[in-house]
Amino acid sequence: EIVMTQSPATLSVSPGERATLSCRASQTVSSKLAWYHQKPGQAPRLLIYGASTRATGVPARFSGSGSGTEFTLTISSLQSEDFALYYCQQYNDWPRTFGQGTKLEIK
Amino acid sequence: EVQLLESGGGLVQPGGSLRLSCAASGFSFSNYAMTWVRQAPGKGLEWVSSISGSGGSTYYADSVKGRFTISRDNSKNTLYLQMNSLRADDTALYYCAKDLWGSYPQLGDYWGQGTLVTVSS
Repeated sequence: EIVMTQSPATLSVSPGERATLSCRASQTVSSKLAWYHQKPGQAPRLLIYGASTRATGVPARFSGSGSGTEFTLTISSLQSEDFALYYCQQYNDWPRTFGQGTKLEIK
Repeated sequence: EVQLLESGGGLVQPGGSLRLSCAASGFSFSNYAMTWVRQAPGKGLEWVSSISGSGGSTYYADSVKGRFTISRDNSKNTLYLQMNSLRADDTALYYCAKDLWGSYPQLGDYWGQGTLVTVSS
């Protein structure tokens, strides 16, 4: 099973600043990496797939990068609605696996 | 508009069974793989099972293999998860998700709001 490790567990950032979240895979997943965010009481929302492609309707301030085993999600200028939990997921191999999540909180 | 509505959750004793349903609308259901993902209270996301668009291929997490069965009825636009031999660690909010691309399961783009399963005596 591919283990996905996200860092940091919690990230405190002020509104308007940049946030950088990391995700590492225990073995290569090529570019088959997705990012989701989840607000309290809501279902996850797909943000990024293919490591760097924004899903429909996702603002341009969200960008993804990386390939192989190291991936990054960058939010260029944090808005109030961006403070949430973020998960990465690999879909290169079975079983599909998620990272444990990064909580992005207001500083 | 894509809509996914899960149902069938509830309180069940250890060793019991439940069948979850996910009613889909707003897209051509048979053309898309579907997936179940669960989230234990206060915990992260765990992939449970996926099924191809035709229903001919199914995939399971080791934690549920042999106990859960995923299926679909394309004539009713409905996805199912039959859960047997339930354990306390199966307690979670169960989401169904539509695949982003098509018939082979890869990742979910649209998710339902979930149905809560509680396994307790």
